[in-house]
Amino acid sequence: QQQVKQSPQSLIVQKGGIPIINCAYENTAFDYFPWYQQFPGKGPALLIAIRPDVSEKKEGRFTISFNKSAKQFSLHIMDSQPGDSATYFCAASVGGTSYGKLTFGQGTILTVHP
Amino acid sequence: DGGITQSPKYLFRKEGQNVTLSCEQNLNHDAMYWYRQDPGQGLRLIYYSQIVNDFQKGDIAEGYSVSREKKESFPLTVTSAQKNPTAFYLCASRPQGQEKLFFGSGTQLSVL
Repeated sequence: QQQVKQSPQSLIVQKGGIPIINCAYENTAFDYFPWYQQFPGKGPALLIAIRPDVSEKKEGRFTISFNKSAKQFSLHIMDSQPGDSATYFCAASVGGTSYGKLTFGQGTILTVHP
Repeated sequence: DGGITQSPKYLFRKEGQNVTLSCEQNLNHDAMYWYRQDPGQGLRLIYYSQIVNDFQKGDIAEGYSVSREKKESFPLTVTSAQKNPTAFYLCASRPQGQEKLFFGSGTQLSVL
């Protein structure tokens, strides 16, 4: 029940394309859903996050769509650039002092060709 | 320059040896975490500490130990009981009352 399932494992798009990464969860107690971006040899960095009381959140070229009834959420990257090539992780946690106890998806390796 | 410093960047362990990974933060964060990253498996929580002199097991604590004697420091020891220690280890911290985790740059541990 603690799992977060992420797909696809890898994704290749051309510059300007709109890659979409999907995640599904089972634990209805989750109330915080962040996306992290990781470059090779580095630690992950928070990209954008959402709570289940909103269906969409946009920050710059990055958008999270959230479907509470389906227990799914997704990341869209508008006008993707070669610099967006990285591994992306979705995650989820219960609130309060448990915020740092994240359950991560398996990761998606994104490649954006020039 | 504030942040989380992990050292060393690369570490090699011999059979039967304990090794300790360092994690130091100057962000004045109360909570600190250790995650293990394996290819294709995402990150998994090893141990976490909400406050000095207190820590709890995460999902995969067997074969690991930690201490939290100072707010700034949260070292992780990989003991000889951890039979598959090869992984990328990430330390993180979180300010009180906030959700965001700040990660260090990681330590790659390999077995000789």
